[in-house]
Amino acid sequence: EPEVTQTPSHQVTQMGQEVILRCVPISNHLYFYWYRQILGQKVEFLVSFYNNEISEKSEIFDDQFSVERPDGSNFTLKIRSTKLEDSAMYFCASSDFALTDTQYFGPGTRLTVL
Amino acid sequence: GNSVTQMEGPVTLSEEAFLTINCTYTATGYPSLFWYVQYPGEGLQLLLKATKADDKGSNKGFEATYRKETTSFHLEKGSVQVSDSAVYFCALTEGDNQGGKLIFGQGTELSVKP
Repeated sequence: EPEVTQTPSHQVTQMGQEVILRCVPISNHLYFYWYRQILGQKVEFLVSFYNNEISEKSEIFDDQFSVERPDGSNFTLKIRSTKLEDSAMYFCASSDFALTDTQYFGPGTRLTVL
Repeated sequence: GNSVTQMEGPVTLSEEAFLTINCTYTATGYPSLFWYVQYPGEGLQLLLKATKADDKGSNKGFEATYRKETTSFHLEKGSVQVSDSAVYFCALTEGDNQGGKLIFGQGTELSVKP
């Protein structure tokens, strides 16, 4: 069964450093998302992406964040200058709304900012 | 704005007990409703969904019915197993907004003892 994959599974970085989190969505899906979950808290929407552009973003998704689909398979989330409060689990999801509104999630990347 | 409220956890049950996890929502339009499950150390997996009023979603012995009159989507299982121990998230997405984000409840941790 097709699945969303994410790399790395765990990323440790120093405050102020740039990080890139990578995702490979399900191949025939057209909508892509990033969510985050701070330890012990609810899952929060960051951004959605369709047709090579951002379709919606939350107030969390400020100028420090960017997303890109650099080729036909990868979908990346970049944080330019990490802060301690960026420490969280980041989930990528994808969906094919032509068939269903279900979003399928990857296993997540745990980002630790020191 | 749209929101989801779940009963607080953790919920601790003995094996074969009956489970109910309450979920209520506030939404404009006609949302689709979901239950996702997060097993320890893993990502989010879709458990079940319902897309319109009075629909019942079911999977792996779990059920939830979309109740528009009470704006609820309570999760139930007749006989839980130790392997059901996980965090359960209720979520919604607006049904008339293609590609719309998921809005999650705060999650309910379930612990099933042998």
